[in-house]
Amino acid sequence: KAGVTQTPRYLIKTRGQQVTLSCSPISGHRSVSWYQQTPGQGLQFLFEYFSETQRNKGNFPGRFSGRQFSNSRSEMNVSTLELGDSALYLCASSLVGVLTYNEQFFGPGTRLTVL
Amino acid sequence: SQQGEEDPQALSIQEGENATMNCSYKTSINNLQWYRQNSGRGLVHLILIRSNEREKHSGRLRVTLDTSKKSSSLLITASRAADTASYFCATDGGGTSYGKLTFGQGTILTVHP
Repeated sequence: KAGVTQTPRYLIKTRGQQVTLSCSPISGHRSVSWYQQTPGQGLQFLFEYFSETQRNKGNFPGRFSGRQFSNSRSEMNVSTLELGDSALYLCASSLVGVLTYNEQFFGPGTRLTVL
Repeated sequence: SQQGEEDPQALSIQEGENATMNCSYKTSINNLQWYRQNSGRGLVHLILIRSNEREKHSGRLRVTLDTSKKSSSLLITASRAADTASYFCATDGGGTSYGKLTFGQGTILTVHP
Protein backbone atom coordinates (compact mmCIF):
# COMPACT_ATOMS: atom_id res chain seq x y z
CA LYS A 1 0.00 0.00 0.00
CA ALA A 2 1.18 3.49 -0.72
CA GLY A 3 1.87 5.60 2.33
CA VAL A 4 0.52 8.99 3.26
CA THR A 5 1.45 11.63 0.74
CA GLN A 6 1.63 15.37 1.24
CA THR A 7 1.98 18.13 -1.28
CA PRO A 8 3.76 20.36 -1.71
CA ARG A 9 6.87 19.31 0.23
CA TYR A 10 8.20 22.84 0.54
CA LEU A 11 6.54 26.24 0.43
CA ILE A 12 7.78 29.77 0.84
CA LYS A 13 5.21 32.49 1.43
CA THR A 14 5.17 36.05 2.69
CA ARG A 15 3.28 37.45 5.64
CA GLY A 16 -0.37 38.09 4.93
CA GLN A 17 -0.67 35.49 2.22
CA GLN A 18 -2.68 32.30 2.54
CA VAL A 19 -1.62 28.73 1.87
CA THR A 20 -3.30 25.39 1.19
CA LEU A 21 -1.65 22.08 1.99
CA SER A 22 -2.86 18.72 0.75
CA CYS A 23 -2.80 15.24 2.26
CA SER A 24 -3.74 11.91 0.73
CA PRO A 25 -4.21 9.17 3.31
CA ILE A 26 -3.39 5.51 3.05
CA SER A 27 -6.02 3.72 0.99
CA GLY A 28 -8.90 2.69 3.24
CA HIS A 29 -8.01 5.12 6.03
CA ARG A 30 -10.84 7.52 6.68
CA SER A 31 -9.40 9.58 9.51
CA VAL A 32 -6.88 12.34 8.82
CA SER A 33 -5.18 14.34 11.55
CA TRP A 34 -3.00 17.40 11.11
CA TYR A 35 -0.10 18.51 13.30
CA GLN A 36 2.23 21.49 13.42
CA GLN A 37 5.83 20.92 14.44
CA THR A 38 8.10 23.78 15.51
CA PRO A 39 11.36 23.77 17.47
CA GLY A 40 9.78 25.77 20.27
CA GLN A 41 6.38 24.11 20.69
CA GLY A 42 7.11 20.65 19.37
CA LEU A 43 4.33 18.63 17.80
CA GLN A 44 0.89 20.11 18.30
CA PHE A 45 -2.44 18.76 17.15
CA LEU A 46 -4.38 20.99 14.77
CA PHE A 47 -7.54 19.02 13.88
CA GLU A 48 -8.92 15.71 12.77
CA TYR A 49 -11.39 14.82 10.05
CA PHE A 50 -13.41 11.68 9.57
CA SER A 51 -16.00 11.14 6.87
CA GLU A 52 -15.75 14.80 5.81
CA THR A 53 -16.52 16.00 9.34
CA GLN A 54 -14.19 17.73 11.76
CA ARG A 55 -14.43 15.71 14.94
CA ASN A 56 -11.70 17.34 16.97
CA LYS A 57 -9.79 20.58 17.00
CA GLY A 58 -6.67 21.74 18.78
CA ASN A 59 -5.93 25.11 20.28
CA PHE A 60 -5.14 27.10 17.16
CA PRO A 61 -6.66 30.37 15.90
CA GLY A 62 -9.41 30.40 13.32
CA ARG A 63 -6.86 31.23 10.61
CA PHE A 64 -6.16 27.51 10.54
CA SER A 65 -8.89 25.53 8.86
CA GLY A 66 -9.30 22.29 7.03
CA ARG A 67 -11.62 20.07 5.14
CA GLN A 68 -11.92 16.53 3.96
CA PHE A 69 -13.29 15.24 0.69
CA SER A 70 -15.40 12.18 -0.01
CA ASN A 71 -12.28 10.22 -1.05
CA SER A 72 -10.76 10.99 2.39
CA ARG A 73 -8.15 13.37 0.98
CA SER A 74 -7.75 16.38 3.21
CA GLU A 75 -6.58 19.93 2.87
CA MET A 76 -5.61 22.48 5.46
CA ASN A 77 -5.58 26.19 4.89
CA VAL A 78 -3.80 28.94 6.75
CA SER A 79 -4.94 32.46 6.04
CA THR A 80 -3.17 35.73 6.79
CA LEU A 81 0.16 34.04 7.37
CA GLU A 82 2.36 35.16 10.23
CA LEU A 83 6.08 34.59 10.73
CA GLY A 84 5.25 32.20 13.56
CA ASP A 85 3.40 29.91 11.18
CA SER A 86 6.73 28.74 9.78
CA ALA A 87 6.76 25.06 10.64
CA LEU A 88 6.67 21.51 9.43
CA TYR A 89 3.04 20.52 8.88
CA LEU A 90 2.37 16.83 9.19
CA CYS A 91 -0.70 14.88 8.38
CA ALA A 92 -1.43 11.38 9.58
CA SER A 93 -4.06 8.87 8.61
CA SER A 94 -5.58 6.09 10.63
CA LEU A 95 -7.97 3.24 10.15
CA VAL A 96 -11.04 3.84 12.26
CA GLY A 97 -12.88 0.84 13.55
CA VAL A 98 -13.11 -1.62 16.36
CA LEU A 99 -9.71 -2.44 17.87
CA THR A 100 -7.77 0.09 15.77
CA TYR A 101 -6.54 2.22 18.71
CA ASN A 102 -5.87 5.44 16.78
CA GLU A 103 -2.62 4.11 15.33
CA GLN A 104 -1.50 6.93 13.09
CA PHE A 105 0.72 6.83 10.02
CA PHE A 106 2.41 10.05 9.02
CA GLY A 107 3.28 11.64 5.73
CA PRO A 108 6.65 13.30 5.02
CA GLY A 109 5.34 16.74 5.89
CA THR A 110 5.18 20.13 4.22
CA ARG A 111 7.87 22.59 5.27
CA LEU A 112 6.31 26.06 5.27
CA THR A 113 8.52 29.13 5.52
CA VAL A 114 6.89 32.51 6.01
CA LEU A 115 9.05 35.52 5.15
CA SER B 1 0.59 21.80 25.26
CA GLN B 2 2.79 18.77 25.53
CA GLN B 3 1.56 16.07 27.86
CA GLY B 4 4.63 13.96 27.77
CA GLU B 5 8.07 14.66 29.03
CA GLU B 6 10.90 12.61 27.70
CA ASP B 7 14.11 11.79 29.38
CA PRO B 8 16.86 12.17 28.47
CA GLN B 9 16.56 15.01 25.97
CA ALA B 10 19.65 13.70 24.19
CA LEU B 11 21.46 10.39 24.27
CA SER B 12 24.77 9.52 22.65
CA ILE B 13 25.96 5.89 22.48
CA GLN B 14 28.20 3.57 20.50
CA GLU B 15 26.94 1.03 17.97
CA GLY B 16 26.02 -2.22 19.65
CA GLU B 17 25.02 -0.60 22.94
CA ASN B 18 21.44 -0.45 24.21
CA ALA B 19 19.50 2.80 24.32
CA THR B 20 16.76 3.50 26.83
CA MET B 21 14.38 6.44 26.60
CA ASN B 22 11.71 7.33 29.11
CA CYS B 23 8.42 9.13 28.77
CA SER B 24 6.09 10.46 31.44
CA TYR B 25 2.57 11.73 30.97
CA LYS B 26 -0.04 13.44 33.07
CA THR B 27 -3.55 12.24 32.28
CA SER B 28 -5.14 8.84 31.77
CA ILE B 29 -4.56 7.22 28.44
CA ASN B 30 -6.09 4.68 26.09
CA ASN B 31 -2.74 3.78 24.59
CA LEU B 32 0.78 5.08 24.12
CA GLN B 33 2.73 5.05 20.89
CA TRP B 34 6.38 5.57 20.02
CA TYR B 35 7.55 7.24 16.83
CA ARG B 36 10.90 7.91 15.18
CA GLN B 37 11.73 10.99 13.15
CA ASN B 38 14.79 11.43 10.99
CA SER B 39 16.09 14.97 10.41
CA GLY B 40 12.79 16.85 10.39
CA ARG B 41 11.01 14.39 8.13
CA GLY B 42 7.79 12.52 8.75
CA LEU B 43 7.26 10.34 11.78
CA VAL B 44 7.62 6.59 11.51
CA HIS B 45 5.34 4.53 13.75
CA LEU B 46 7.35 2.11 15.87
CA ILE B 47 5.05 0.48 18.37
CA LEU B 48 1.74 0.89 20.19
CA ILE B 49 1.06 -0.34 23.71
CA ARG B 50 -2.45 -0.37 25.11
CA SER B 51 -3.23 0.85 28.59
CA ASN B 52 -3.92 -2.71 29.80
CA GLU B 53 -0.56 -4.00 28.56
CA ARG B 54 2.69 -3.80 30.53
CA GLU B 55 5.29 -4.79 27.99
CA LYS B 56 5.53 -5.23 24.26
CA HIS B 57 8.29 -6.30 21.88
CA SER B 58 8.92 -5.65 18.22
CA GLY B 59 12.25 -6.76 16.78
CA ARG B 60 14.96 -4.88 18.68
CA LEU B 61 12.40 -2.69 20.44
CA ARG B 62 10.98 -3.28 23.88
CA VAL B 63 8.37 -0.97 25.35
CA THR B 64 7.07 -0.97 28.88
CA LEU B 65 4.13 0.90 30.32
CA ASP B 66 3.42 1.64 33.96
CA THR B 67 0.04 3.34 34.21
CA SER B 68 0.32 3.73 37.97
CA LYS B 69 3.41 5.88 37.50
CA LYS B 70 2.17 7.32 34.21
CA SER B 71 5.39 6.42 32.49
CA SER B 72 6.74 4.38 29.61
CA SER B 73 10.17 3.37 28.40
CA LEU B 74 11.54 2.43 25.01
CA LEU B 75 14.56 0.16 24.85
CA ILE B 76 16.46 -0.28 21.59
CA THR B 77 18.86 -3.19 21.82
CA ALA B 78 22.08 -3.60 19.85
CA SER B 79 21.77 -0.12 18.38
CA ARG B 80 22.98 0.74 14.89
CA ALA B 81 24.10 4.00 13.32
CA ALA B 82 20.84 3.93 11.33
CA ASP B 83 18.92 4.26 14.63
CA THR B 84 20.17 7.84 14.90
CA ALA B 85 16.98 9.91 15.03
CA SER B 86 14.57 11.70 17.34
CA TYR B 87 12.19 9.49 19.26
CA PHE B 88 8.79 10.65 20.48
CA CYS B 89 6.20 9.14 22.71
CA ALA B 90 2.59 10.02 21.99
CA THR B 91 -0.46 9.40 24.13
CA ASP B 92 -4.01 8.79 23.03
CA GLY B 93 -6.52 9.89 25.61
CA GLY B 94 -9.33 7.87 24.05
CA GLY B 95 -12.93 8.91 24.53
CA THR B 96 -13.77 12.00 22.49
CA SER B 97 -10.16 12.90 21.74
CA TYR B 98 -10.74 11.73 18.18
CA GLY B 99 -7.60 11.52 16.11
CA LYS B 100 -5.52 13.42 18.64
CA LEU B 101 -2.15 12.25 19.84
CA THR B 102 -0.30 14.30 22.43
CA PHE B 103 3.43 14.20 21.89
CA GLY B 104 6.37 14.53 24.20
CA GLN B 105 9.32 16.77 23.39
CA GLY B 106 11.37 13.85 22.16
CA THR B 107 14.76 12.29 22.76
CA ILE B 108 17.54 12.86 20.25
CA LEU B 109 19.48 9.63 19.89
CA THR B 110 22.92 9.60 18.28
CA VAL B 111 24.55 6.25 17.62
CA HIS B 112 28.24 6.45 16.74
CA PRO B 113 29.65 3.80 14.39
